[in-house]
Amino acid sequence: GAVVSQHPSRVICKSGTSVKIECRSLDFQATTMFWYRQFPKQSLMLMATSNEGSKATYEQGVEKDKFLINHASLTLSTLTVTSAHPEDSSFYICSAWTGVMLGYTFGSGTRLTVV
Amino acid sequence: AQRVTQPEKLLSVFKGAPVELKCNYSYSGSPELFWYVQYSRQRLQLLLRHISRESIKGFTADLNKGETSFHLKKPFAQEEDSAMYYCALSGQSRGGSEKLVFGKGTKLTVNP
Repeated sequence: GAVVSQHPSRVICKSGTSVKIECRSLDFQATTMFWYRQFPKQSLMLMATSNEGSKATYEQGVEKDKFLINHASLTLSTLTVTSAHPEDSSFYICSAWTGVMLGYTFGSGTRLTVV
Repeated sequence: AQRVTQPEKLLSVFKGAPVELKCNYSYSGSPELFWYVQYSRQRLQLLLRHISRESIKGFTADLNKGETSFHLKKPFAQEEDSAMYYCALSGQSRGGSEKLVFGKGTKLTVNP
């Protein structure tokens, strides 16, 4: 139980275009979802915390106009990378709190390549 | 500020040898500590958390508040333990709104 499904797993896009990444909680309701970015061989850096029905909270240094987060329902949160540039190429991972027993669960990640 | 330090980027041991992955933290309140494992080409998985006091796959970790450490240990390493290990910290919250802060990770390689 407590699975987060993340799509797409890989995406290649051209500079200047936008890309949307989806995370769905399959068998639980996720009031809060977290979006991370992971550079090659580095740790996960928290980008923002999304709360269902309200605005996301962004970490310092993360451009909110570039990384649009929407959490319109208890089972879906999306991250849209707008006007993507090659430096946005990275591995993006979502996470959700599943409850006291299982804690946080993670999506399988999205490898974004901007060419 | 919350901070998690994993001093070893790489750790290599032989099969059957004991292994210890170090984790130190900095947090002003009462933290909740986790160890996550990422096997090759797989998603991050919870290995253990300090509040559950469980032993998973032979791994244990004890929270030492005096030394602000949460080192991960296993007495006899197996080849299938080779993976990336991340120590993580959050503030205690039943609501799950607390963010997780990760260490930089330690890549463990268990040689035959």
